Formats: sequence, structure tokens, C-alpha cells
Amino acid sequence: AQSVTQLDSHVSVSEGTPVLLRCNYSSSYSPSLFWYVQHPNKGLQLLLKYTSAATLVKGINGFEAEFKKSETSFHLTKPSAHMSDAAEYFCVVSGGGSQGNLIFGKGTKLSVKP
Amino acid sequence: NAGVTQTPKFRILKIGQSMTLQCTQDMNHNYMYWYRQDPGMGLKLIYYSVGAGITDKGEVPNGYNVSRSTTEDFPLRLELAAPSQTSVYFCASSYITSGLETQYFGPGTRLLVL
Repeated sequence: AQSVTQLDSHVSVSEGTPVLLRCNYSSSYSPSLFWYVQHPNKGLQLLLKYTSAATLVKGINGFEAEFKKSETSFHLTKPSAHMSDAAEYFCVVSGGGSQGNLIFGKGTKLSVKP
Repeated sequence: NAGVTQTPKFRILKIGQSMTLQCTQDMNHNYMYWYRQDPGMGLKLIYYSVGAGITDKGEVPNGYNVSRSTTEDFPLRLELAAPSQTSVYFCASSYITSGLETQYFGPGTRLLVL
């Protein structure tokens, strides 16, 4: 069965410093992996997705993630945090099958201090 | 395009009451999904539909029903509301031909059952 583990429930950074949100996955086959962001009282927005092409995936708003099969990781990074990055971030793996089901991690809340 | 829209945004129900959460998408997507998000947790799949007239259970279907009479609409029905159904409900849609495609999420419906 597929699963994801987000290693930090809360990350706090200062504006202008790097962001690292950690995610490990478990999958019985080559997975598709996603990062979604949820701003307060908003729906989820896709940041980026990995679907077995390039292992370094670039997303919106300066975020990127690297797929490392040997470490079963898909960490999300950004070189310089902005106040508007404060949100909840979800690492997601495809659940397999024909229905396109997604398996969500529990989320990491990112706080950005001025 | 409005994307995925959900109504209502917020609702308070008494135990045993029923209600329908509405979801509409205008992107001609074939797949639609209902998720619930409990505090501090990721999203869990309730029901999904691969096209008009076809629905199937997800991970947590008990206490819910769905129908899909048109491509655009995918309402979620709660027949006998229980406190355990207090949650935020998200509808999503995607266009899947082969492989996994991005899911687009609505803004959510916050439900409180007292």
C-alpha cells in the first residue's frame, strides 16, 4: 500500500531564509508524487508533481522538490521564504488503480517570521 | 472558468439532520472526488466518480451517499448527521485519460454537527 510521512508537523523560518519541508513515501511501484499547498480557509492548490520524468521538479512560486528513490524521499525546498508562503503543505502520493486516488500526508504548517 | 465550486461554505447541523453538499465543476472533467479533512490530518477519500452515472466508495464512505447524474455535478449526501462527521469537506475533479492527472480542488465546506 502507498503512504506518505511528513516528518515535521510545524516548521518556522524567517523571511528570506531557506525552506525545507520533508516527506518520505512508501510505494510498491514507481509512484507519482505531489506537493499541494493550502492557505488558511482556502482550497488546495498544486505546487508541483513528479511523474517519473526529471527527478528535480520545479513548481510555482519558486518551490522545487527532488525525488530520491534510494532514500524514498520527496522533500520540498525554496531558497528564500516569503511571508506569503505561510500555509499548510501536503505531500501526496498516487494511490494506484484507475481511479486516480491520492494518499495525503498529515501536513506541515509553515510559519514565516518577519 | 470558475473551476470547482462548492456550496455552502459553512453549515451547522443538529445530530440526525440531513443535508446535501453541492459540488460543480465547469472544466468538463470526467473524474470527481469527495474528501474530508479532519484537524491535523490529511485528506481522506469518501467517494469518487469516473463519469456520469458511475460512483464508487473511497476510504471512508460510511454515513455518506453520492450521485453523479451529470458531468458537472457531484453532490454528497449526509442522511443522519453525527458528531463524527464534523469536518471540512473538499470536492475535486480531474481529467484522466491514461495515467494520473492533476486534481483541482474546491474551496471546501466546513460542517459542524452538534
